[in-house]
Amino acid sequence: GENVEQHPSTLSVQEGDSAVIKCTYSDSASNYFPWYKQELGKRPQLIIDIRSNVGEKKDQRIAVTLNKTAKHFSLHITETQPEDSAVYFCAAYNDYKLSFGAGTTVTVRA
Amino acid sequence: GAVVSQHPSWVICKSGTSVKIECRSLDFQATTMFWYRQFPKQSLMLMATSNEGSKATYEQGVEKDKFLINHASLTLSTLTVTSAHPEDSSFYICSAAQGYGGELFFGEGSRLTVL
Repeated sequence: GENVEQHPSTLSVQEGDSAVIKCTYSDSASNYFPWYKQELGKRPQLIIDIRSNVGEKKDQRIAVTLNKTAKHFSLHITETQPEDSAVYFCAAYNDYKLSFGAGTTVTVRA
Repeated sequence: GAVVSQHPSWVICKSGTSVKIECRSLDFQATTMFWYRQFPKQSLMLMATSNEGSKATYEQGVEKDKFLINHASLTLSTLTVTSAHPEDSSFYICSAAQGYGGELFFGEGSRLTVL
């Protein structure tokens, strides 16, 4: 099955700085890569996603890049704000199901 | 986006009892729903894929006789934790997609505490 690795596990950034989270996947057949933000005790919320026929996608302060050859994708958050503090999960879709990374706890220091 | 509702949001039960959690897609039909378990400070682990009108597909290591899944309609899937024990205490989350390969919509999650 698919194996998704995510780094770093924790990330502390100063407000206004950028945050980058990286993920790798194992199965080249995976074709959809969403990113989720989860606050404590809440459901995961989709923040951005990218399909395998696209190399980059941006939505305001959030961007995702995908390198199919290397099988890795990254989340970039610019101009971080305190409300960006949460756990972020990457995921890869293959064989009709999503496999999640281990998560990154992002803390934005005011 | 589409709405997936999960009930109850939290439940406390005694060891040895069974607990049922419902997952409903409110404004779309979901042929397939997914059940995840999330322990504190960990990721979401897929337990099973629930298919309407057929048996669920369980992930390796998940006991199908302990975690009973029923997907009787296109808008409702249920997870029953049978003979619950303290180690079953966790956050259980369902999700559903509009078609294959589409965005997954998550329920609110159900926090189970087994005493």
